[in-house]
Parts: sequence; structure tokens; C-alpha cells
Amino acid sequence: QVQLMQSGAEVKEPGTSVKVSCKASGYTFRTYGISWVRLAPGQGLEWMGWIRVNNGDTSYAQDLQGRVTMTADTSTNTAYMELTSLRSDDTAVYYCARDVLLAARALDYWGQGTLVTVSS
Amino acid sequence: QSVLTQPPSLSEAPRQRVTISCSGSTSNIGKNGVNWYQQFPGKAPKLLIYYDTFLSAGVSDRFSGSKSGASASLSISGLQSEDEADYFCAAWDDSLNGQVFGGGTKVTVL
Repeated sequence: QVQLMQSGAEVKEPGTSVKVSCKASGYTFRTYGISWVRLAPGQGLEWMGWIRVNNGDTSYAQDLQGRVTMTADTSTNTAYMELTSLRSDDTAVYYCARDVLLAARALDYWGQGTLVTVSS
Repeated sequence: QSVLTQPPSLSEAPRQRVTISCSGSTSNIGKNGVNWYQQFPGKAPKLLIYYDTFLSAGVSDRFSGSKSGASASLSISGLQSEDEADYFCAAWDDSLNGQVFGGGTKVTVL
């Protein structure tokens, strides 16, 4: 069955970086995209960006341009999201999700989420 | 402030029908398909409806989606206590070149 397994919770100081991993199994990794979405306390879901796994093309949310980088390693079926220059308002649960391009970009399978806490 | 607009909360009695609205614009809902997600506290979102009206695999047929112009809606019929959750709409936005979400609607079963 399709599974996305994310790395564990992180506590980071402001100004540093975090890299979250998302290991896929149960499907052909390169035939789908991976989107990253975050949920901050008291807020709604926020799309961060997307990577087309088969060629590495990316598209990032305008608000995060310059601070976020998404990559994918097809040899290990793992996607990564790195966020730099962390601020307190980056504290959130970060999710990876399988992106079905031809189904209105539906996110049909999700990782379990990774809590990133930014605090000094 | 979310690009797509949803009511923050709705409540209804068991076995009744509740409809959640999602208002957007010509650059998102008016041009692209709408997806709906259900989320319980502390859990990952779950896809309910994709491309406006299609039921995701394994989802109860008590859930249904519709769209007209730049607005969409999710209906839950025969409301059950297990339906208490947050519901989000989403669509691709051609102007922003990204996915946009609604702020979410908390459904309470009275």
C-alpha cells in the first residue's frame, strides 16, 4: 500500500535551517509529484511547493521563494524539503503528500507530519 | 488570510445534511478543479473529493462535491458524530502558480 514516512520532530533556533525527509513506498516514485504543505498553530493549511520527481522541476509558494528547497532522490524514493533562515512563525507541522497532477493536483496520500518548532 | 473563503464553523444535528461553501475567483476555482480534505486534530489531512465531484477511494458516498463558476461546495448527508472534523477546500491558482487552500471549516455534530 502507498505510504509516505516522514522524519521526526525537530527543534531549531531562529536563523538556522531544517531539512525534513519523506520516504515513499508502495508505488512508482518517479510517476507522481510530491507537494509539501504546512499547518501552523491556529492557522489553515499552507501549500509550500511541489517537485516533479521524474525531472526535479520545482514550483514554490511566492512567500517562501529563496528560503525553501525541495529535492527528490529516486535511488532511495525519498523527497526532501529544506527551509532556511527559520523564524518563530515557521513553527508548524510539515506534511509531504503525493501530488496527482492529472486529478486537479489532488493530494491523495499524506505523510504523518513532522513538527518543527522554532524557538530560542 | 486564505485565498479561498470558507465559513469558519458549521453545526448540525445528527442525520441532517450540512453544506460547506468555498468561494474563490476566476484564477483558481473558476478555471481549475477543486479538491476537498478532511482533517482530525493531530492527524494528516485525508482526500475526500477530487476534481470537483469525484469521490476518493474508500470515502463514504455520504460526501459529495459540486461547483458552479468560482464557487464550490461539499455536502455531508446523514451527518454522524464521526464526521466532526475540519474540512478544507483547495485548488490550483494560475495567477499565483501554486495551490491555494481555504481557511477550513470546523463541523460540529450537535
